[in-house]
Amino acid sequence: NAGVTQTPKFQVLKTGQSMTLQCAQDMNHNSMYWYRQDPGMGLRLIYYSASEGTTDKGEVPDGYNVSRLKKQNFLLGLESAAPSQTSVYFCASRSGGRWDGYTFGSGTRLTVV
Amino acid sequence: GQQLNQSPQSMFIQEGEDVSMNCTSSSIFNTWLWYKQEPGEGPVLLIALYKAGELTSNGRLTAQFGITRKDSFLNISASIPSDVGIYFCAGARGGQGGKLIFGQGTELSVKP
Repeated sequence: NAGVTQTPKFQVLKTGQSMTLQCAQDMNHNSMYWYRQDPGMGLRLIYYSASEGTTDKGEVPDGYNVSRLKKQNFLLGLESAAPSQTSVYFCASRSGGRWDGYTFGSGTRLTVV
Repeated sequence: GQQLNQSPQSMFIQEGEDVSMNCTSSSIFNTWLWYKQEPGEGPVLLIALYKAGELTSNGRLTAQFGITRKDSFLNISASIPSDVGIYFCAGARGGQGGKLIFGQGTELSVKP
């Protein structure tokens, strides 16, 4: 009954460091999404994947890359972290066209110093 | 990037009061969704609206899809302390792979 699991929950990076945020879902959902949430703003889409092996840019993709090699995993990479990437990152997954099945993880809080 | 205009940004109310918040957009959406987010958690879906004019309830929550398809509102009746959190509206258009556009959120505080 895990749903969408994000790791790590917290991370501090130095400017220029790289890291990968991990997202796993156990609901056999086809589509997966990465959003970022900044204070006073709603969530903004970074990248999404409609199916295993496919990815597309969202609203704010610059500075990020993604990988969907397995259906259950969607990875978000930061090649060279910048302070502007300090944010809370949420992964979500969705089954087909169902909005009631659009499930979010509990987030990764990333600070870049 | 596009975001929905959600108001108010924050509300401080007494337990038992009714609450109303709304979301507007300059463009049309096919689906409106309302989410609640509690500290340290991701958003959780409260209500989904699929047709213009649709009015849907979920317990003490009622939401409506505006007839112009450019707005939506959420009402909470007889608020209780566990209603505390941030409420987000989100819009979706068909054929866009499930991408959501979110409002800025309404932070609700309830005094017992």
